[in-house]
Amino acid sequence: SAVISQKPSRDICQRGTSLTIQCQVDSQVTMMFWYRQQPGQSLTLIATANQGSEATYESGFVIDKFPISRPNLTFSTLTVSNLSPEDSSIYLCSAYGRQTSGKYEQYFGPGTRLTVT
Amino acid sequence: GEDVEQSLFLSVREGDSSVINCTYTDSSSTYLYWYKQEPGAGLQLLTYIFSNMDMKQDQRLTVLLNKKDKHLSLRIADTQTGDSAIYFCAETGNSGYALNFGKGTSLLVTP
Repeated sequence: SAVISQKPSRDICQRGTSLTIQCQVDSQVTMMFWYRQQPGQSLTLIATANQGSEATYESGFVIDKFPISRPNLTFSTLTVSNLSPEDSSIYLCSAYGRQTSGKYEQYFGPGTRLTVT
Repeated sequence: GEDVEQSLFLSVREGDSSVINCTYTDSSSTYLYWYKQEPGAGLQLLTYIFSNMDMKQDQRLTVLLNKKDKHLSLRIADTQTGDSAIYFCAETGNSGYALNFGKGTSLLVTP
């Protein structure tokens, strides 16, 4: 199956700083997404990362706080800016694309665990 | 947004069957998914069902879909301790690709 890697896997950051998370897919994919999973909660979609254009953000998420890049069909970054303790979450990258089985599926990276102090 | 609802906890004995239920509200959902998340790990796609199907079986997993009632269930036969995890139901929502997740059902399998 196709594989998604994320860097860093975890980080502890100070309030007011920013963290950029990288997501790499080992094959070209149609769509990439960023989700947030707050402690003990479900996953919430932050935005769809569009290749070559601005990301499409969900209600409650804005570009100034969560700038996203997607320079090509296999790579995306999410920056969480001006960090506050409320940003402490797991951030997951996902991709929708064709697996080696031939089926189109949405699969997830291992996540980045962010703790803001 | 559209809601996906799941019960939060389920406890079963090893060897029994587990049934995890999910209800959703978006009748336009094309696919409905079940993901598994083990402690400290990412999300693993278990199975999914196309909205025009009633049932899908994959080894120990059986997915039942009642589209009229917008009810989805995941049955795990012969549940093992390694099945202990959080199970998320998800549907494709308006975009057709991005997923709306339920809050997850924490399954505990006891010996």
